Amino acid sequence: DTGVSQDPRHKITKRGQNVTFRCDPISEHNRLYWYRQTLGQGPEFLTYFQNEAQLEKSRLLSDRFSAERPKGSFSTLEIQRTEQGDSAMYLCASSFQTSGSSYNEQFFGPGTRLTVL
Amino acid sequence: TQLLEQSPQFLSIQEGENLTVYCNSSSVFSSLQWYRQEPGEGPVLLVTVVTGGEVKKLKRLTFQFGDARKDSSLHITAAQPGDTGLYLCKSASKIIFGSGTRLSIRP
Repeated sequence: DTGVSQDPRHKITKRGQNVTFRCDPISEHNRLYWYRQTLGQGPEFLTYFQNEAQLEKSRLLSDRFSAERPKGSFSTLEIQRTEQGDSAMYLCASSFQTSGSSYNEQFFGPGTRLTVL
Repeated sequence: TQLLEQSPQFLSIQEGENLTVYCNSSSVFSSLQWYRQEPGEGPVLLVTVVTGGEVKKLKRLTFQFGDARKDSSLHITAAQPGDTGLYLCKSASKIIFGSGTRLSIRP
């Protein structure tokens, strides 16, 4: 399977703990996105990378959140000092963006469901 | 801030019926995408519309981009239980999703 994969699929943690999620994009894709989705809502953008560079961060991404994409391959999203409000599905997507195109197709992983107790 | 509002929020209809869901904004978009998301999975792209007034068909699904490129609609003919899911519109050039329409088709 060469799609986007995310690990873990589910994470239950206690308030105040740190958690880290991993995303492996489609190998030739240069862009990688992180979203948060709560039940019944559309995905909310958190941040995206072009290769290893983090190009944009949403104001939703508080200082407790940090994302990395070393070497432009897989990415990690860490949440420090988790709060109950962080409970959500965290989605990763990747795409191949060419310089001449204003849009692209994002391919999503299955998500990591975080529950903060 | 560009926002995408989708309506209705929920829709439950009988198999075989037709339906239309809407995506509206006060802003102009250069292009718009529709995604479908099934439970436990990530969204999957259905279509990208680029030109104002454009109509695209995907089997029983018809997508239209408004002339002013501020709105879009998705029409499903003869809905089937397999059409059940969360339908999301997204600005193709900005990273903005609508709030979604949750569609349930009853057999």
